[in-house]
Amino acid sequence: DSGVTQTPKHLITATGQRVTLRCSPRSGDLSVYWYQQSLDQGLQFLIQYYNGEERAKGNILERFSAQQFPDLHSELNLSSLELGDSALYFCASSVQDRGLYNEQFFGPGTRLTVL
Amino acid sequence: AQSVSQHNHHVILSEAASLELGCNYSYGGTVNLFWYVQYPGQHLQLLLKYFSGDPLVKGIKGFEAEFIKSKFSFNLRKPSVQWSDTAEYFCAVNGPQAAGNKLTFGGGTRVLVKP
Repeated sequence: DSGVTQTPKHLITATGQRVTLRCSPRSGDLSVYWYQQSLDQGLQFLIQYYNGEERAKGNILERFSAQQFPDLHSELNLSSLELGDSALYFCASSVQDRGLYNEQFFGPGTRLTVL
Repeated sequence: AQSVSQHNHHVILSEAASLELGCNYSYGGTVNLFWYVQYPGQHLQLLLKYFSGDPLVKGIKGFEAEFIKSKFSFNLRKPSVQWSDTAEYFCAVNGPQAAGNKLTFGGGTRVLVKP
C-alpha cells in the first residue's frame, strides 16, 4: 500500500458524459500527478499540481481538467467522454514538485470504461 | 524532450531462467531512473530506482538494474525468475531540470514465466 488512495476503483459511463476521479496523496506529499494508461498510448503523464497550483502539463485533452484543493486532494474531471477515453487513470504523489530524490508513489488507479 | 525505449514488448521464459529487460532513455541532463512492475489487474509498484552513486542498484524481489551513463541505459535483471514474476515491467525516467517532475515511461515489456 503506497498511501495514495483513489476513488472510485471502477467507473462505467456512456459517451458524452462527465466524470470526476478523486485522489488523496500520501500524508505530507504536496505534489500530485495524473497519468493515463491505455492500450494504444501506454502510460502517459497528464498533469501535475503542487500545493494547489498547476505545475506541469502533459498530453491532457482540453476536455479534461484537474485541480488540487487546499486539503491537497486532487480531482480529475473528464467531460464529453469518448470511447477512446477508456483507460486506467493513475494518481501519484511526491513530497516536492521537482528535484533529485523526489520519488513518486502511485495509487491503485481508477478504471474508466466508456460505453 | 525525454523519451524511453524498451526494446522487448513481450518476453516468454521458463521458471529459473534469467531475465534481462533493456531500457534506453534520451535526456541530456541528470536523471532519476526507475523500474516499475504491474501485476495483472494491479497498480504500479516500484521495483527499484537510481538517483545517484553506485550504478548497480538492487531492488525488491531479487531484481537489480545497472545504470550505464555512456549508453543511456538502465537494464533490469533477475538471475532466476519465478512464475510469480509474470507481469508487465515499465522503465521510467524523470529529469529534475524539466518543468515539474513528470515521469516518462517506456512502452512496457510483458513478461510471461511458464511454470
